[in-house]
Amino acid sequence: AQSVTQLDSQVPVFEEAPVELRCNYSSSVSVYLFWYVQYPNQGLQLLLKYLSGSTLVKGINGFEAEFNKSQTSFHLRKPSVHISDTAEYFCAVTGSGNTGKLIFGQGTTLQVKP
Amino acid sequence: DAGITQSPRHKVTETGTPVTLRCHQTENHRYMYWYRQDPGHGLRLIHYSYGVKDTDKGEVSDGYSVSRSKTEDFLLTLESATSSQTSVYFCAISTGDPYEQYFGPGTRLTVT
Repeated sequence: AQSVTQLDSQVPVFEEAPVELRCNYSSSVSVYLFWYVQYPNQGLQLLLKYLSGSTLVKGINGFEAEFNKSQTSFHLRKPSVHISDTAEYFCAVTGSGNTGKLIFGQGTTLQVKP
Repeated sequence: DAGITQSPRHKVTETGTPVTLRCHQTENHRYMYWYRQDPGHGLRLIHYSYGVKDTDKGEVSDGYSVSRSKTEDFLLTLESATSSQTSVYFCAISTGDPYEQYFGPGTRLTVT
């Protein structure tokens, strides 16, 4: 069975500092990986996805993530955060060949301080 | 904007009453999903649909049923609501690439 673990429930960081949100997954099959962002009182928005190819994936709002198969990780990074990046971030995985069902991590709250 | 609406957006109901939540899409996408969001659990899949009248269970389907009689509507029913079903419910659709999902605004359900 597939599972996703987000290693930090909360990450406080000062504005303009770099940030990394950590995500590990477990799966016995090839996986597709995603990061979603949820702003307060809103639905989820896709930040980026890894399906195949280059292991460094760039997404919206200056975020990027690196797929590391040997460490089964898919960490999300941004070199300089803004107050507007304050939100909850979810890592998710789905296996190939199924109907797109997503398994989500528990979420990481990014708190950007001025 | 994938044209997803959910209704109602907020609902308070009593234990034991039936509740139906509606998800409506405007673009006739094949795949639709219902998730619930609870603190510390992220989002968990309840049921999903891969076409009209074609549905299947997710990881937390007990106590829920779904129906899809039209491409654009996916209904989630709690036959007899319990306090453990207090949650925020999200509908999602897939645009054709089944690995990319778009989410509705959510329904906050409180069961007292």
